[in-house]
Amino acid sequence: QVTLRESGPALVKPTQTLTLTCTFSGFSLSTSGMCVSWIRQPPGKALEWLALIDWDDDKYYSTSLKTRLTISKDTSKNQVVLTMTNMDPVDTATYYCARGYSYGGGLPDYYFDYWGQGTLVTVSS
Amino acid sequence: QSVLTQPPSVSEAPRQRVTISCSGSSSNIGNNAVNWYQQLPGKAPKLLIYYDDLLPSGVSDRFSGSKSGTSASLAISGLQSEDEADYYCAAWDDRLNGWVFGGGTKLTVL
Repeated sequence: QVTLRESGPALVKPTQTLTLTCTFSGFSLSTSGMCVSWIRQPPGKALEWLALIDWDDDKYYSTSLKTRLTISKDTSKNQVVLTMTNMDPVDTATYYCARGYSYGGGLPDYYFDYWGQGTLVTVSS
Repeated sequence: QSVLTQPPSVSEAPRQRVTISCSGSSSNIGNNAVNWYQQLPGKAPKLLIYYDDLLPSGVSDRFSGSKSGTSASLAISGLQSEDEADYYCAAWDDRLNGWVFGGGTKLTVL
């Protein structure tokens, strides 16, 4: 049974750095064809992809947010960590982590088949 | 402004069929697989269709996907009230080197 759970602060101040942790079970991120991605959704708005880390430790970032994001994994702990620097009120959103799987073993063929419940992060002073 | 274009809303009566479109370009839909996600109110997204037209295990066969050129479609037949949700298309974009989502379509079952 695959599960993912996001954890991190519910409130951050502008200019602070956000650190979110995705703790997962039921799969290994060292298995070929697997990845974990972060996706966010501002209140009442659409989904926005942020970053991805795959089984081979390759990392990909949203072009518009690349300078502010860092994604990493700890395979032994089954965790993926996302940091986002210089937070702003427009970054207020529910942040989801999701497992991606690819029959072909990697990009661009991932689909996100399991999602965490999401964690709401509010940026306010 | 989303890279993939979806209608903001669609509505149809119960037991009818509805189609949701997703328009992109050669760098995304035209060259890569499209996935569809259903997001029920207050819930996390759920995978509905992958690789353009494949159904994950457990998803009703009332849902179907198709793709032609740089556009994709999601069809839902035999509409039920529990289908009321937001639907998102997504694809990898070769030019942006990242995933792109549509703006989402809110389905209302009248």
